[in-house]
Amino acid sequence: EADIYQTPRYLVIGTGKKITLECSQTMGHDKMYWYQQDPGMELHLIHYSYGVNSTEKGDLSSESTVSRIRTEHFPLTLESARPSHTSQYLCASRALGGSPLHFGNGTRLTVT
Amino acid sequence: DAKTTQPTSMDCAEGRAANLPCNHSTISGNEYVYWYRQIHSQGPQYIIHGLKNNETNEMASLIITEDRKSSTLILPHATLRDTAVYYCIVREGGSNYKLTFGKGTLLTVNP
Repeated sequence: EADIYQTPRYLVIGTGKKITLECSQTMGHDKMYWYQQDPGMELHLIHYSYGVNSTEKGDLSSESTVSRIRTEHFPLTLESARPSHTSQYLCASRALGGSPLHFGNGTRLTVT
Repeated sequence: DAKTTQPTSMDCAEGRAANLPCNHSTISGNEYVYWYRQIHSQGPQYIIHGLKNNETNEMASLIITEDRKSSTLILPHATLRDTAVYYCIVREGGSNYKLTFGKGTLLTVNP
């Protein structure tokens, strides 16, 4: 099994709070990704990084931001959470070349 | 970017082979086909990938047609735990590729 960890697993938070979803991997992968998925719906890429100090927005517009200061760490931040941010957030990483994605188990966020 | 088309849902009897089709008629010569599955909203799990040749691993077999416009994922002896959404994805771009997930096929394995 791949070593990619997301915390917290579940988060319920009130509107207006600032939150950070953590994602760490111990495989030394350069490429990391954040996907957003509503229940029963498709995964949508919201952020990705090809290495330290590299971040790009994905296919789905998101009010969240990301940072990549260390290879192993790719946190996602919402400055002011809103009910529309309620969703599951999945982090993934991969090695170079054509290697496949390894996913974490996700953070299920509920904003009340 | 190459797109994929998969049936929305399929059923399979436990112990039987599950054959999941995928159409990717606009695939280009250097694009790989990847298969993932997602069980009950967990993180997707990688299954297998291939370029031209058929591939087999401990989980499944991947059959790619000679013209590469379609492929089939085969689970040789489906179990109840194989019930999941299966995604067929074509890799886009060069070494810095992104993987775009579609709706996938919900495979239900019945006792």
